[in-house]
Amino acid sequence: GQQVMQIPQYQHVQEGEDFTTYCNSSTTLSNIQWYKQRPGGHPVFLIQLVKSGEVKKQKRLTFQFGEAKKNSSLHITATQTTDVGTYFCAGNSGNTPLVFGKGTRLSVIA
Amino acid sequence: EAQVTQNPRYLITVTGKKLTVTCSQNMNHEYMSWYRQDPGLGLRQIYYSMNVEVTDKGDVPEGYKVSRKEKRNFPLILESPSPNQTSLYFCASSYDRDYGYTFGSGTRLTVV
Repeated sequence: GQQVMQIPQYQHVQEGEDFTTYCNSSTTLSNIQWYKQRPGGHPVFLIQLVKSGEVKKQKRLTFQFGEAKKNSSLHITATQTTDVGTYFCAGNSGNTPLVFGKGTRLSVIA
Repeated sequence: EAQVTQNPRYLITVTGKKLTVTCSQNMNHEYMSWYRQDPGLGLRQIYYSMNVEVTDKGDVPEGYKVSRKEKRNFPLILESPSPNQTSLYFCASSYDRDYGYTFGSGTRLTVV
């Protein structure tokens, strides 16, 4: 079945450094979504990408959807302690339900 | 406030004692889904519902039941809980399967 792989599993950065997490699908996706889960919290929807090659920005966060619609990335510029949490990508293709990656846990050292 | 409400937030129960985790949304969403989250395994879908009276199995449906008699409610039923169902459970809803999901605050279930 459809699989969504996410790397790295963990990332520790110094505050002010940049951070990137990558998401790869075994199949072409119709859309990709990104979520953030703070420690002890629930996943919160960040953004959805639909078009091939699409790039969207939310303040210090940049989201990209690959040309082949099989991969995506989330880049955070100049991380802050408020960025701490686990970032999940999720995608679906055709009539399949949304499949979540296992997430990248970000730690920010002040 | 638009939200997905799950109850209870925490539950400790014994093996074999039937339980229900409730989920309600106030956004008139058609799509609802249940996930369990376990360390190292991420979010795995248990059941989902595209609309009232329409439910389908996700990736890990064994040991669970759901119903969708009303649009706003999507309870998760464990008829005979076992320790391997100890997990963090999330209910989520959306206008459509392909749109961003709103998650509930989660239910941490421990089965002893």
